[in-house]
Amino acid sequence: EAGVAQSPRYKIIEKRQSVAFWCNPISGHATLYWYQQILGQGPKLLIQFQNNGVVDDSQLPKDRFSAERLKGVDSTLKIQPAKLEDSAVYLCASSSVRRGDNEQFFGPGTRLTVL
Amino acid sequence: AQRVTQPEKLLSVFKGAPVELKCNYSYSGSPELFWYVQYSRQRLQLLLRHISRESIKGFTADLNKGETSFHLKKPFAQEEDSAMYYCALMRRAQKLVFGQGTRLTINP
Repeated sequence: EAGVAQSPRYKIIEKRQSVAFWCNPISGHATLYWYQQILGQGPKLLIQFQNNGVVDDSQLPKDRFSAERLKGVDSTLKIQPAKLEDSAVYLCASSSVRRGDNEQFFGPGTRLTVL
Repeated sequence: AQRVTQPEKLLSVFKGAPVELKCNYSYSGSPELFWYVQYSRQRLQLLLRHISRESIKGFTADLNKGETSFHLKKPFAQEEDSAMYYCALMRRAQKLVFGQGTRLTINP
């Protein structure tokens, strides 16, 4: 099966600019996750979708971050406006509850640098 | 609060030597624990989970609820084991909490 796809792979922006990331999960995976991984740390969950509904966004900084998964497939994560501390790798992952094994499959990530 | 601690950021061992990557957790319920690995220039992937109790690439991990640990072990390290290793705990509704990771380097 094709893996989780993400784009762009790299992005450099200035602070206060906006940026958007795109994720295409594995076909048929109902659950989609966005993680933020700051250098030297493990991934931290930002938001979890089940189909097109939000399951958990408790750690999403909602004053500047937003995410959507309108048709229950692809998802976009947006930062507006960006701050220096948003520099990180943004990982998308998906899982299939139907498989019953709850393994999360990760994309290659988008490396964001905010100058 | 749920927390995963990996006390070693860096671990270096010689090829053929035993490897142990430490992981401790805090969780009030029954934990489900995982080890994820990221090889150079590859994406993060599942290595093993405690419920399967299997050995993957020679690695094993035993859940010790008394010590709240889930250490990853391999009796004889190989150069291809060099990678970043993350211990993770799954909370309710499929949410993963990761440790900060340990970079394992196997010296020839």
